[in-house]
Amino acid sequence: GDSVTQMEGPVTLSEEAFLTINCTYTATGYPSLFWYVQYPGEGLQLLLKATKADDKGSNKGFEATYRKETTSFHLEKGSVQVSDSAVYFCALSGVNSKLTFGKGITLSVRP
Amino acid sequence: DAGITQSPRHKVTETGTPVTLRCHQTENHRYMYWYRQDPGHGLRLIHYSYGVKDTDKGEVSDGYSVSRSKTEDFLLTLESATSSQTSVYFCAISDWGQGQESGELFFGEGSRLTVL
Repeated sequence: GDSVTQMEGPVTLSEEAFLTINCTYTATGYPSLFWYVQYPGEGLQLLLKATKADDKGSNKGFEATYRKETTSFHLEKGSVQVSDSAVYFCALSGVNSKLTFGKGITLSVRP
Repeated sequence: DAGITQSPRHKVTETGTPVTLRCHQTENHRYMYWYRQDPGHGLRLIHYSYGVKDTDKGEVSDGYSVSRSKTEDFLLTLESATSSQTSVYFCAISDWGQGQESGELFFGEGSRLTVL
């Protein structure tokens, strides 16, 4: 079945540091890929998405490229801010738009 | 923001009691989902619905039932709550099958359930 593997956390960075969060997936067919973010006490919000191979999703300075050859969708940001502190989930879309999520990773950014 | 309302937002109950969580949407989306969020597990799908009276199981459906009698409402019921069902429950909706093919889900704010 479908599965998503995220790197282990938590991750703590200083403000303006470079961020990479790894995500790899296993799926049949060609799923859409997503990064969702969850701020404390809130629900999940879509951060970015990519619907086919080599697509790059981007939003709020975050980027991720759909790599079919490595089955990966790594999240990157060149300069993180304190306000980026949150939990980040990688996910893929399967049949009937059911999302399969990774376990999530907590990012803390220090001033 | 997508119009999704979950109720109750917080509930404490005792083992063996029935519990119903409600998800209400104002977007007229066909697909609705219930997920649970637990530390170390991410989000896991409990049940989903693809139309009125049309539902199917997810990966962690044991101990849960759902009903959808109207497009806008999707109910999750724990017939006899257990401590292992202590979790945060999220409802989500999707316009899949209505011309949008990306599969994006929109989430409610969650319902925190504690079973003592």
